[in-house]
This record gives sequence, C-alpha cells and structure tokens, in this order.
Amino acid sequence: SQKIEQNSEALNIQEGKTATLTCNYTNYSPAYLQWYRQDPGRGPVFLLLIRENEKEKRKERLKVTFDTTLKQSLFHITASQPADSATYLCALDVDGSARQLTFGSGTQLTVLP
Amino acid sequence: EAGVTQFPSHSVIEKGQTVTLRCDPISGHDNLYWYRRVMGKEIKFLLHFVKESKQDESGMPNNRFLAERTGGTYSTLKVQPAELEDSGVYFCASSHTPGQGSYEQYFGPGTRLTVT
Repeated sequence: SQKIEQNSEALNIQEGKTATLTCNYTNYSPAYLQWYRQDPGRGPVFLLLIRENEKEKRKERLKVTFDTTLKQSLFHITASQPADSATYLCALDVDGSARQLTFGSGTQLTVLP
Repeated sequence: EAGVTQFPSHSVIEKGQTVTLRCDPISGHDNLYWYRRVMGKEIKFLLHFVKESKQDESGMPNNRFLAERTGGTYSTLKVQPAELEDSGVYFCASSHTPGQGSYEQYFGPGTRLTVT
C-alpha cells in the first residue's frame, strides 16, 4: 500500500542550528512533492514545491532535496529561529496533477532559544 | 487578498444530528478541496471541485457526507447523520488551475467538529 513517513514526530534543536526533516514514501511515483508548515489552530501553509526532475530547491533559509531513487525528500531550515517552531508536513500528489494531496503525519519542530 | 475562510470554527453536535460546514475560497480560484484530519492521523483528502463540478470525490468516507459548490463560489459539506468517528478538523483549500500558475494550495483555518 502507499505510505508516507516523516522521520520523527518531534524534533528539538538549538537556535542557530540547521534543522533537517525527512520524508520517505513507498509505492508512489509523485511528479511533485510539497512541504507545508502548520501552526496550532491554523491550516497548513505552503512553503516549497519540488518537481521530480529537480534535485534541490531553495527559498531564503529553506532548502528541499528530492531523491526519486531513494524515494526521499529532505527539508532543511538553516540558522533556525524560535519562530520556526511548528509542525512541518510533506505532501505528495497522487497522480501527477498536483491536485489531490496525500500528507505525511508531520514532524513537530521546536527551536530552543 | 482575503484568504480561505471557513465557518464555523468549531461545532459540537450530538450523534445523529446534522451539521453543515462552509468554505469560502480565495476569489478567482476555480479549484476547491476538502480535507479532514481525525485525531492522531494525517490529513486526508476528501474531494475536489473544479468550479461547480466534482472532479474527484474518491476520499469521501460514505454517503452521509454531501458536498456542494453552487455557482462555483463557496462550498458546503454536510454530514447527515453525524457519527462519533466523524469528529476531527475539516480543512478547505483552494488553488489556481495547476499548470497556469503555482501549484500550491491555500488552506483555511479549519472547522473542528466534535460529535458526542
């Protein structure tokens, strides 16, 4: 069956360090992989999208990699700040249309001051 | 630009009652999606509208759930009759047409439904 796993439910790091979150998937061949941020009581907020033919995508302090051979995406936040504390979700499209998204369960990141 | 709005923010109903959730997408977004997160689980897709047409309703759990999008603007999701397992947070999202802009989906704050 199709499955998405995010490396851990919770990750604590010190301010200024780089946070690395992992998203692994099985039995999918997604054309796109997206990362979202979710704060308590809010809906997910889009951060980055990476296509299957892209190895890496950057946006300010964020970097995403996508390895379709390993079926894995890594999400990095450099120079982390307490304001980066949130739950981060990876999401895959089911049929390459970037429409119906399948979400992982999320990793709750806490950046300690 | 106003974001996606959902109403109510929280609803508590008894088993067997009916509840209607409303979503107002971002103006100009033809695509509207409903998702649900039940306690301890990941966010799951329910259905997708393109304008007023249901494009994909493969995630709808059963026929107690009815979604509509009259006129291609706001959408409603009715649960009738509600069961205990329907409790969770219902998210609505909207987007441009993929391929004509970004692929990102804009989510509303969600409606927390509690069935007692």
